[in-house]
Amino acid sequence: AQSVTQLDSQVPVFEEAPVELRCNYSSSVSVYLFWYVQYPNQGLQLLLKYLSGSTLVESINGFEAEFNKSQTSFHLRKPSVHISDTAEYFCAVSDDYKLSFGAGTTVTVRA
Amino acid sequence: DAGVTQSPTHLIKTRGQQVTLRCSPKSGHDTVSWYQQALGQGPQFIFQYYEEEERQRGNFPDRFSGHQFPNYSSELNVNALLLGDSALYLCASSLVQGDEKLFFGSGTQLSVL
Repeated sequence: AQSVTQLDSQVPVFEEAPVELRCNYSSSVSVYLFWYVQYPNQGLQLLLKYLSGSTLVESINGFEAEFNKSQTSFHLRKPSVHISDTAEYFCAVSDDYKLSFGAGTTVTVRA
Repeated sequence: DAGVTQSPTHLIKTRGQQVTLRCSPKSGHDTVSWYQQALGQGPQFIFQYYEEEERQRGNFPDRFSGHQFPNYSSELNVNALLLGDSALYLCASSLVQGDEKLFFGSGTQLSVL
Protein backbone atom coordinates (compact mmCIF):
# COMPACT_ATOMS: atom_id res chain seq x y z
CA ALA A 1 0.00 0.00 0.00
CA GLN A 2 1.07 3.53 -0.70
CA SER A 3 1.54 6.04 2.10
CA VAL A 4 2.19 9.75 2.42
CA THR A 5 4.04 11.70 5.08
CA GLN A 6 3.58 15.43 5.45
CA LEU A 7 6.51 16.65 7.45
CA ASP A 8 4.98 19.82 8.86
CA SER A 9 1.69 19.88 10.73
CA GLN A 10 1.51 23.67 10.98
CA VAL A 11 3.19 26.39 8.96
CA PRO A 12 2.71 30.03 10.01
CA VAL A 13 3.81 32.51 7.37
CA PHE A 14 3.57 36.25 6.78
CA GLU A 15 1.68 37.66 3.83
CA GLU A 16 3.80 37.97 0.65
CA ALA A 17 6.42 35.60 2.05
CA PRO A 18 7.24 32.28 0.34
CA VAL A 19 6.00 28.97 1.69
CA GLU A 20 6.99 25.34 1.18
CA LEU A 21 4.96 22.36 2.33
CA ARG A 22 6.85 19.10 2.38
CA CYS A 23 5.45 15.77 1.29
CA ASN A 24 7.15 12.38 1.00
CA TYR A 25 5.57 9.22 -0.30
CA SER A 26 6.38 5.55 -0.20
CA SER A 27 5.84 3.51 -3.30
CA SER A 28 7.66 0.93 -5.34
CA VAL A 29 5.67 1.57 -8.50
CA SER A 30 4.71 4.51 -10.65
CA VAL A 31 2.56 6.95 -8.78
CA TYR A 32 0.10 9.70 -9.31
CA LEU A 33 0.49 12.51 -6.77
CA PHE A 34 -1.88 15.24 -5.72
CA TRP A 35 -2.21 18.29 -3.53
CA TYR A 36 -5.66 19.15 -2.21
CA VAL A 37 -6.69 22.27 -0.29
CA GLN A 38 -9.44 22.43 2.32
CA TYR A 39 -10.79 25.80 3.37
CA PRO A 40 -12.70 26.05 6.67
CA ASN A 41 -16.04 24.24 6.60
CA GLN A 42 -15.55 23.10 3.03
CA GLY A 43 -14.66 19.91 1.21
CA LEU A 44 -11.41 19.17 -0.54
CA GLN A 45 -10.45 20.95 -3.75
CA LEU A 46 -7.80 19.67 -6.12
CA LEU A 47 -4.91 22.12 -6.25
CA LEU A 48 -2.60 20.31 -8.66
CA LYS A 49 -1.56 16.84 -9.72
CA TYR A 50 1.34 14.93 -11.18
CA LEU A 51 0.51 12.06 -13.51
CA SER A 52 3.48 11.91 -15.87
CA GLY A 53 5.68 14.13 -18.00
CA SER A 54 7.17 17.34 -16.62
CA THR A 55 8.17 16.97 -13.00
CA LEU A 56 7.12 20.55 -12.25
CA VAL A 57 3.37 21.12 -12.10
CA GLU A 58 1.60 24.38 -11.51
CA SER A 59 -1.82 25.51 -10.32
CA ILE A 60 -3.79 28.49 -11.55
CA ASN A 61 -3.36 30.38 -8.28
CA GLY A 62 0.44 30.44 -8.12
CA PHE A 63 1.26 27.16 -6.38
CA GLU A 64 3.71 24.70 -7.87
CA ALA A 65 4.96 21.27 -6.89
CA GLU A 66 7.94 19.28 -8.06
CA PHE A 67 7.97 15.51 -8.35
CA ASN A 68 11.32 14.10 -7.28
CA LYS A 69 11.48 10.36 -7.84
CA SER A 70 14.91 9.84 -6.30
CA GLN A 71 13.84 11.54 -3.08
CA THR A 72 10.25 10.27 -3.26
CA SER A 73 9.01 13.78 -2.63
CA PHE A 74 6.33 16.09 -3.97
CA HIS A 75 6.82 19.39 -2.15
CA LEU A 76 4.41 22.28 -2.66
CA ARG A 77 5.65 25.85 -2.97
CA LYS A 78 4.31 29.34 -3.48
CA PRO A 79 6.66 32.31 -3.85
CA SER A 80 4.29 34.85 -2.29
CA VAL A 81 1.26 33.93 -0.18
CA HIS A 82 -1.98 35.84 0.42
CA ILE A 83 -4.25 35.91 3.42
CA SER A 84 -6.72 33.87 1.36
CA ASP A 85 -4.22 30.99 1.20
CA THR A 86 -4.95 30.23 4.84
CA ALA A 87 -6.22 26.65 4.72
CA GLU A 88 -5.29 23.04 5.29
CA TYR A 89 -3.29 21.34 2.58
CA PHE A 90 -3.24 17.60 1.95
CA CYS A 91 -0.79 15.61 -0.10
CA ALA A 92 -2.17 12.38 -1.57
CA VAL A 93 -1.02 9.44 -3.63
CA SER A 94 -3.18 7.34 -5.90
CA ASP A 95 -3.34 3.80 -4.61
CA ASP A 96 -5.36 1.33 -6.69
CA TYR A 97 -8.40 3.50 -7.48
CA LYS A 98 -8.36 5.30 -4.15
CA LEU A 99 -6.36 8.13 -2.63
CA SER A 100 -4.14 7.80 0.42
CA PHE A 101 -3.79 11.14 2.16
CA GLY A 102 -1.22 12.60 4.48
CA ALA A 103 -2.26 14.07 7.82
CA GLY A 104 -2.35 17.59 6.44
CA THR A 105 -0.48 20.86 6.91
CA THR A 106 -2.28 23.87 8.32
CA VAL A 107 -1.08 27.09 6.70
CA THR A 108 -1.88 30.29 8.55
CA VAL A 109 -1.05 33.50 6.71
CA ARG A 110 -0.65 36.59 8.86
CA ALA A 111 -0.62 40.23 7.75
CA ASP B 1 -23.92 22.38 -12.80
CA ALA B 2 -24.16 21.23 -9.21
CA GLY B 3 -21.09 19.59 -7.85
CA VAL B 4 -21.12 16.81 -5.31
CA THR B 5 -23.86 17.37 -2.76
CA GLN B 6 -24.09 15.73 0.64
CA SER B 7 -26.82 15.66 3.24
CA PRO B 8 -27.22 16.39 6.02
CA THR B 9 -24.42 18.86 6.72
CA HIS B 10 -24.40 18.15 10.43
CA LEU B 11 -25.73 15.28 12.52
CA ILE B 12 -25.68 14.41 16.21
CA LYS B 13 -26.25 10.83 17.34
CA THR B 14 -25.73 8.83 20.50
CA ARG B 15 -23.70 5.67 20.93
CA GLY B 16 -25.35 2.55 19.59
CA GLN B 17 -27.57 4.37 17.12
CA GLN B 18 -27.51 3.98 13.36
CA VAL B 19 -26.96 6.75 10.82
CA THR B 20 -27.42 7.19 7.07
CA LEU B 21 -25.54 9.78 5.07
CA ARG B 22 -26.41 10.69 1.50
CA CYS B 23 -24.44 11.81 -1.52
CA SER B 24 -25.34 12.95 -5.02
CA PRO B 25 -22.38 12.84 -7.41
CA LYS B 26 -21.42 15.52 -9.87
CA SER B 27 -23.50 15.37 -13.03
CA GLY B 28 -22.17 12.72 -15.39
CA HIS B 29 -20.12 10.93 -12.76
CA ASP B 30 -20.79 7.26 -12.13
CA THR B 31 -18.33 6.39 -9.36
CA VAL B 32 -18.73 7.39 -5.72
CA SER B 33 -16.17 7.04 -2.95
CA TRP B 34 -16.57 7.71 0.76
CA TYR B 35 -13.86 8.98 3.09
CA GLN B 36 -13.75 9.54 6.84
CA GLN B 37 -11.80 12.54 8.12
CA ALA B 38 -11.23 12.52 11.85
CA LEU B 39 -10.27 15.76 13.55
CA GLY B 40 -6.68 16.70 12.76
CA GLN B 41 -6.17 13.85 10.31
CA GLY B 42 -6.28 13.32 6.59
CA PRO B 43 -9.22 11.58 4.95
CA GLN B 44 -9.26 7.79 5.17
CA PHE B 45 -10.81 5.72 2.38
CA ILE B 46 -13.91 3.78 3.41
CA PHE B 47 -15.17 2.27 0.16
CA GLN B 48 -16.00 2.96 -3.47
CA TYR B 49 -19.14 2.18 -5.47
CA TYR B 50 -19.35 1.67 -9.19
CA GLU B 51 -22.26 0.19 -11.13
CA GLU B 52 -24.14 -0.24 -7.86
CA GLU B 53 -21.49 -2.53 -6.42
CA GLU B 54 -18.82 -2.05 -3.78
CA ARG B 55 -15.60 -2.30 -5.75
CA GLN B 56 -12.96 -1.26 -3.23
CA ARG B 57 -12.95 -1.20 0.56
CA GLY B 58 -10.60 0.33 3.07
CA ASN B 59 -9.80 -0.86 6.56
CA PHE B 60 -13.22 -0.23 8.12
CA PRO B 61 -15.42 -2.71 10.01
CA ASP B 62 -18.61 -4.18 8.65
CA ARG B 63 -20.59 -1.65 10.68
CA PHE B 64 -19.88 0.62 7.74
CA SER B 65 -21.94 -0.26 4.71
CA GLY B 66 -23.16 1.51 1.65
CA HIS B 67 -25.33 1.49 -1.38
CA GLN B 68 -25.38 3.04 -4.81
CA PHE B 69 -28.63 3.66 -6.64
CA PRO B 70 -29.32 3.48 -10.39
CA ASN B 71 -29.04 7.29 -10.61
CA TYR B 72 -25.49 6.96 -9.16
CA SER B 73 -26.35 8.59 -5.85
CA SER B 74 -25.05 6.82 -2.79
CA GLU B 75 -25.67 6.23 0.89
CA LEU B 76 -23.28 5.47 3.71
CA ASN B 77 -24.72 3.60 6.67
CA VAL B 78 -23.02 3.19 10.01
CA ASN B 79 -24.51 0.85 12.61
CA ALA B 80 -23.86 0.63 16.35
CA LEU B 81 -22.19 4.02 16.45
CA LEU B 82 -19.11 4.49 18.62
CA LEU B 83 -17.67 7.71 19.97
CA GLY B 84 -14.74 7.19 17.64
CA ASP B 85 -17.03 7.41 14.62
CA SER B 86 -17.27 11.16 15.18
CA ALA B 87 -15.74 12.69 12.06
CA LEU B 88 -16.33 14.55 8.83
CA TYR B 89 -17.58 12.13 6.19
CA LEU B 90 -16.66 13.12 2.68
CA CYS B 91 -18.15 11.85 -0.53
CA ALA B 92 -16.18 12.07 -3.76
CA SER B 93 -17.26 11.32 -7.30
CA SER B 94 -15.36 10.68 -10.49
CA LEU B 95 -16.18 10.18 -14.13
CA VAL B 96 -15.19 6.55 -14.36
CA GLN B 97 -13.73 4.01 -12.03
CA GLY B 98 -10.02 4.56 -11.77
CA ASP B 99 -10.21 8.22 -12.72
CA GLU B 100 -7.71 9.96 -10.52
CA LYS B 101 -9.56 13.26 -10.51
CA LEU B 102 -11.99 13.24 -7.63
CA PHE B 103 -14.57 15.92 -6.88
CA PHE B 104 -15.39 16.18 -3.18
CA GLY B 105 -18.53 17.32 -1.45
CA SER B 106 -18.45 19.58 1.61
CA GLY B 107 -19.05 16.63 3.89
CA THR B 108 -21.34 15.61 6.72
CA GLN B 109 -20.08 16.38 10.21
CA LEU B 110 -21.14 13.50 12.46
CA SER B 111 -20.93 13.87 16.22
CA VAL B 112 -21.51 10.80 18.38
CA LEU B 113 -22.27 11.55 22.04
